[in-house]
Amino acid sequence: GEDVEQSLFLSVREGDSSVINCTYTDSSSTYLYWYKQEPGAGLQLLTYIFSNMDMKQDQRLTVLLNKKDKHLSLRIADTQTGDSAIYFCAESRISNTGKLIFGQGTTLQVKP
Amino acid sequence: SAVISQKPSRDICQRGTSLTIQCQVDSQVTMMFWYRQQPGQSLTLIATANQGSEATYESGFVIDKFPISRPNLTFSTLTVSIMSPEDSSIYLCSVVGSTSTDTQYFGPGTRLTVL
Repeated sequence: GEDVEQSLFLSVREGDSSVINCTYTDSSSTYLYWYKQEPGAGLQLLTYIFSNMDMKQDQRLTVLLNKKDKHLSLRIADTQTGDSAIYFCAESRISNTGKLIFGQGTTLQVKP
Repeated sequence: SAVISQKPSRDICQRGTSLTIQCQVDSQVTMMFWYRQQPGQSLTLIATANQGSEATYESGFVIDKFPISRPNLTFSTLTVSIMSPEDSSIYLCSVVGSTSTDTQYFGPGTRLTVL
């Protein structure tokens, strides 16, 4: 199937770390992405990881990929109220020029 | 990354009318796509806009309902034809740049409400 699944909601306190999880089904996935969507806005590419990598770090963001379990996670360190948004995980199966399959999105709520 | 603009940013339309959405990129890109995001839902690919030829549609989407043009490497249009309230969605274009390491970037979206 073409399922990419995410939990729908996560609530954290400001300053804590957030971990958003995603599972996918196709082992031929080549690139895996994290996008952020703020209310009323389009999608902002946060980070991405090649399928032959285990981890990628970019400032406060850490992406972990477990290919065996087809599990992807996004960790946001020192979460701020400005991080409140919907986070979408997506996979690409035809190099990086193909169709993206999106998860349902995880709404992150950051409480002050 | 490419800078992508869409027009209009939002519109409210009457049932039975058609709306054309424009997507403009500030640099030449290899691929352009159109996605739909229905209220409270995730994104679904409508079609790949092919430069100089007919778009490639995903299952469930047809050219008569969503005609697409891509006359050059920086511009594409999506028309939502004979609209009904079920077409109320955000329509987003996305692009992949000209290098093999580029990823997909999205435009700001067009928020369409059909009454």
